[in-house]
Amino acid sequence: DVKVTQSSRYLVKRTGEKVFLECVQDMDHENMFWYRQDPGLGLRLIYFSYDVKMKEKGDIPEGYSVSREKKERFSLILESASTNQTSMYLCASSSLLERGQYFGPGTRLTVT
Amino acid sequence: RKEVEQDPGPFNVPEGATVAFNCTYSNSASQSFFWYRQDCRKEPKLLMSVYSSGNEDGRFTAQLNRASQYISLLIRDSKLSDSATYLCVPSCSSASKIIFGSGTRLSIRP
Repeated sequence: DVKVTQSSRYLVKRTGEKVFLECVQDMDHENMFWYRQDPGLGLRLIYFSYDVKMKEKGDIPEGYSVSREKKERFSLILESASTNQTSMYLCASSSLLERGQYFGPGTRLTVT
Repeated sequence: RKEVEQDPGPFNVPEGATVAFNCTYSNSASQSFFWYRQDCRKEPKLLMSVYSSGNEDGRFTAQLNRASQYISLLIRDSKLSDSATYLCVPSCSSASKIIFGSGTRLSIRP
């Protein structure tokens, strides 16, 4: 069965803190994605990666960076958290062939 | 025109009814299409993939009309557990061009 896990379900951080969100998939998928989801705005792509050490910016990369050192793991980094980064963060993965995405349970991040 | 447009609903239908909703997309280069369902405060789950004219999986049928650039999702014999938001996703070869629709809310009443 397909599995995508995220390191935390809920996280509270202070403004200016560095935040790491981790995502692990066990399906040997090539593609991995980070989204944020906000009420009324839907899912917005932050970054994605199509291979180890490869990354591309999505629609809203500002204030975020990513790291993919191993195929199964994709990390999202908020270098200096701000209150407007309070959101639900969703990680997903997909294979090159099938392309349908499988999502992790999400991390609800609150920045105070 | 938005890249992906869905009627936000909510669609409120009785259990056992058939319900259908459409999704229109603007990028004619879209090659594959997906429907996801998302329950309240949960992650989206892949429901169906559509690569050619359509796909059927039990009570769910997805149809693609490339000429008019829309895909539809039909749910027959609806169950209470079908209550969710349904997201439409047209996809090109580039992963950066995957755009999620904002979703259609479906509520099935007893």
